[in-house]
Amino acid sequence: AQSVTQLDSQVPVFEEAPVELRCNYSSSVSVYLFWYVQYPNQGLQLLLKYLSGSTLVKGINGFEAEFNKSQTSFHLRKPSVHISDTAEYFCAVRAYSSASKIIFGSGTRLSIRP
Amino acid sequence: GAVVSQHPSWVICKSGTSVKIECRSLDFQATTMFWYRQFPKQSLMLMATSNEGSKATYEQGVEKDKFLINHASLTLSTLTVTSAHPEDSSFYICSAAPRGGASTDTQYFGPGTRLTVL
Repeated sequence: AQSVTQLDSQVPVFEEAPVELRCNYSSSVSVYLFWYVQYPNQGLQLLLKYLSGSTLVKGINGFEAEFNKSQTSFHLRKPSVHISDTAEYFCAVRAYSSASKIIFGSGTRLSIRP
Repeated sequence: GAVVSQHPSWVICKSGTSVKIECRSLDFQATTMFWYRQFPKQSLMLMATSNEGSKATYEQGVEKDKFLINHASLTLSTLTVTSAHPEDSSFYICSAAPRGGASTDTQYFGPGTRLTVL
């Protein structure tokens, strides 16, 4: 079984400031890791994913995440946020099969202040 | 890129009626589709896994007779909320796993359907 914990339900930051959204996971099997973004009243958009290889993964919109196996973490970062980054962010895991279900964290609401 | 559509995008119905939501993979075949429910300001909770040509697998606590899932073809899965009540009001999202895809393939999400039961 897998589970995902997002430590912060809300993260307010000022525009152009850096941000880190934290994510920890647990799993009895090897998993792939994902970050999704959901803008108000919309579906999910994949930001980035970790499958294997380099532990630093770069995604869309200037986001990146680092996989840390020993700490079972997959924190999301952006060096300078914009108003348009205001959204809900979900960390997720999935077992290796592409037909496996995705387990989502509870989400982190990122609010950007001008 | 791969596209998944959902229809309708929003629906309002009276309590006691049934509502059908469609999930289609537009440019790929999907052996497996998933249905999620998202309450306001909450995360996505998996309701069921839908496999083409077989019965859906429901998560614990999800009523099979209330949420009917049919995956009749490799590009279409439907979720029918039977005898809907106000507590069923939610955002329903589907995702699709490409047929024959590699283990690293991404699942693709639909845009969601907002159901409001009066």
